[in-house]
Amino acid sequence: AQSVTQPDIHITVSEGASLELRCNYSYGATPYLFWYVQSPGQGLQLLLKYFSGDTLVQGIKGFEAEFKRSQSSFNLRKPSVHWSDAAEYFCAVGAFGNEKLTFGTGTRLTIIP
Amino acid sequence: DTAVSQTPKYLVTQMGNDKSIKCEQNLGHDTMYWYKQDSKKFLKIMFSYNNKELIINETVPNRFSPKSPDKAHLNLHINSLELGDSAVYFCASSQKGVTYEQYFGPGTRLTVT
Repeated sequence: AQSVTQPDIHITVSEGASLELRCNYSYGATPYLFWYVQSPGQGLQLLLKYFSGDTLVQGIKGFEAEFKRSQSSFNLRKPSVHWSDAAEYFCAVGAFGNEKLTFGTGTRLTIIP
Repeated sequence: DTAVSQTPKYLVTQMGNDKSIKCEQNLGHDTMYWYKQDSKKFLKIMFSYNNKELIINETVPNRFSPKSPDKAHLNLHINSLELGDSAVYFCASSQKGVTYEQYFGPGTRLTVT
């Protein structure tokens, strides 16, 4: 069965600082990996996705993520955060032929001035 | 234009009542989903329909019954509401076997008193 672990429940970062959110997955085959962001009171918005090919993927809002098969990780990064990045971030894993996505428990990001 | 829409956005009702949540997508997708997000932000899939056919049915009480009149609509009916049903319910859609990423609606916050 597929599973996702987001080890950090809550992260606080200063505005302008760099950010890395961790995601580890468990899946027997090649996974499809996603990062979603949920702003307060909103639905989930897709930030980026990895299916195959280049292991460094670029997303919206200046985010990027790197797939590392050897570490079963798909960490999300941003070089300089903005106050508007404060939100809940979810990592999710799926697979070819399987419509089910499994989500991690989320990481809440707080930005301080 | 709204891609995935849900109505109502908020729903407050008493225990024992029956209520419905409606979802519509205009993305031309053939697969739709219902998720439940609890107070700890944990996101869990409940059901999925592909072209009006049920393809994912997680362990959900029989009081929850999804209905898909066509591939652009997926409704969720809940009978005999309980306090534990209080949560945010999200609808999502995707195109089966093509992209796998799911697009989410804004959510319906259900409060059972």
